[in-house]
Amino acid sequence: DTEVTQTPKHLVMGMTNKKSLKCEQHMGHRAMYWYKQKAKKPPELMFVYSYEKLSINESVPSRFSPECPNSSLLNLHLHALQPEDSALYLCASSQGLGASGYTFGSGTRLTVV
Amino acid sequence: RKEVEQDPGPFNVPEGATVAFNCTYSNSASQSFFWYRQDCRKEPKLLMSVYSSGNEDGRFTAQLNRASQYISLLIRDSKLSDSATYLCVVLLRSSASKIIFGSGTRLSIRP
Repeated sequence: DTEVTQTPKHLVMGMTNKKSLKCEQHMGHRAMYWYKQKAKKPPELMFVYSYEKLSINESVPSRFSPECPNSSLLNLHLHALQPEDSALYLCASSQGLGASGYTFGSGTRLTVV
Repeated sequence: RKEVEQDPGPFNVPEGATVAFNCTYSNSASQSFFWYRQDCRKEPKLLMSVYSSGNEDGRFTAQLNRASQYISLLIRDSKLSDSATYLCVVLLRSSASKIIFGSGTRLSIRP
């Protein structure tokens, strides 16, 4: 299994809603990542988990809350988002520190209304 | 200065042409280098890693020059299916891995 699976594929939420994005991989990768990508821009790193511990938070607003329940799962909890948070949210995983590259999920396309 | 800079593009070339993309990086602690391909509304997918000795995968050749902090990608005999955005990606050496994406170069192959 060489996939990173993200759910849901599409999400529309209001600014007062609470929702969660989910990511799962069964490649035995011990590093997992959340990226945000706006249209016609490259992905921007949000969070890095290494061995289920948060190792990098790129000054992401607290309305985004990551969680790593186990080595195969990564969640991103969303609360009180703004319309400008609408984007493609990509999960990725890597073996070790990523010297062999990252594998990306197909993303969740989020629209905040 | 951006940490990873790429040709702005877009490149619009005929099928069968050879096209080259360039990328420079500013952080000398950069450890690993990659080219990713991203199709419209899809996730980035690893195209190839880039090594100092240069590496080739079919019609694709990647080269790294650490002294000049420069990476290149050459596509020979381009196909319509090569149309995509090509992202130069750099892995920074640190206790926690962090990859930095270039802004991407859009390639369009015309029949």
